Amino acid sequence: DVKVTQSSRYLVKRTGEKVFLECVQDMDHENMFWYRQDPGLGLRLIYFSYDVKMKEKGDIPEGYSVSREKKERFSLILESASTNQTSMYLCASSPYSAKTVGYTFGSGTRLTVV
Amino acid sequence: QQQVKQSPQSLIVQKGGIPIINCAYENTAFDYFPWYQQFPGKGPALLIAIRPDVSEKKEGRFTISFNKSAKQFSLHIMDSQPGDSATYFCAASNQGGKLIFGQGTELSVKP
Repeated sequence: DVKVTQSSRYLVKRTGEKVFLECVQDMDHENMFWYRQDPGLGLRLIYFSYDVKMKEKGDIPEGYSVSREKKERFSLILESASTNQTSMYLCASSPYSAKTVGYTFGSGTRLTVV
Repeated sequence: QQQVKQSPQSLIVQKGGIPIINCAYENTAFDYFPWYQQFPGKGPALLIAIRPDVSEKKEGRFTISFNKSAKQFSLHIMDSQPGDSATYFCAASNQGGKLIFGQGTELSVKP
């Protein structure tokens, strides 16, 4: 019954590594989002995409990039991982008009950068 | 303008109590206000949502109260149960559909 799948639950990476976080949804949703979740800061939007090959910066895009080559897949890339990117990363998807059904989130990837 | 401020950060109540979580926003263009519930190890899930043309919405034991003039909305959980222990997020969006989330409230309901 899982609709949004994030490829890893836990990741440990070294400072300076290039990190790929993968997200796949099977609901044919147009919109996909990447958030990071930190205690006391809530969910902060990193990047989002309203269509294949489209991407827009969210509130905290610095140090990140994204790729959306297929409708169902949205990848988050940490170009050179740093310790301040240690966090929980959440992927979400929604239909074009999100106001009737809301976002569907994946279970998250907890990334630790050492 | 884009912020949604949520309080308290954490909340402990006894079983049967009525926890209340509050959110405030600045952007008057926001027209959709959902609440999400997150259990440990899971992603947030939509719990209940309201639009600014109504002042209250109930779904089971969960109620949203909305005050448009004060730009505030709140979540009330009636007859709270230990199974309601979770992190709750308020959010807001405008026509663009992009959700802005509050800081989250960690609720613990004691037996």
